[in-house]
Amino acid sequence: GENVEQHPSTLSVQEGDSAVIKCTYSDSASNYFPWYKQELGKRPQLIIDIRSNVGEKKDQRIAVTLNKTAKHFSLHITETQPEDSAVYFCAASGTGGFKTIFGAGTRLFVKA
Amino acid sequence: EAQVTQNPRYLITVTGKKLTVTCSQNMNHEYMSWYRQDPGLGLRQIYYSMNVEVTDKGDVPEGYKVSRKEKRNFPLILESPSPNQTSLYFCASSVAEPYEQYFGPGTRLTVT
Repeated sequence: GENVEQHPSTLSVQEGDSAVIKCTYSDSASNYFPWYKQELGKRPQLIIDIRSNVGEKKDQRIAVTLNKTAKHFSLHITETQPEDSAVYFCAASGTGGFKTIFGAGTRLFVKA
Repeated sequence: EAQVTQNPRYLITVTGKKLTVTCSQNMNHEYMSWYRQDPGLGLRQIYYSMNVEVTDKGDVPEGYKVSRKEKRNFPLILESPSPNQTSLYFCASSVAEPYEQYFGPGTRLTVT
């Protein structure tokens, strides 16, 4: 079946450094790729998303890139801050329904 | 306030005792979905609904039922819970597909 692989599972960076999380999806019909942030004990919340007709999107310190040919998309966080520490999930979904496949998550630690 | 609510937030039950977890949204969203979150596995979609009386299976539907009789409500039913259904459950809604999903606060279910 369809799946989304996410790497790394854990990432530790120093405050101010950049963090990159990568995802690969299998369903070529996927056309929407959101990233969710989940703080400890909280619900997932959308931080950025990208659609298949766009290669890159940026929102302040956060950016997402998409390579449809390789079925690969990545989250980039620059100038990391301690409050960026959380679990990040990528996901892929397509038209014709609401089926959404999430990656297993990346636990990001930002050390002050 | 726009929100997705779930009840109960915590539930401890015994094997085989039928239970229902309610989900309600006040944003007039078309799409609603149920996920379970387990360590190392991310969020896995159980069922989703594209409108009233329209539901479909996600990745892990076995042992669960849903119904969508009203637009705002999407209850998750466990007819005969088993210990492997011990998990953190999230309901989510979206204005359309594919767009940002708004998650409820989660329901932590323990089946003994």
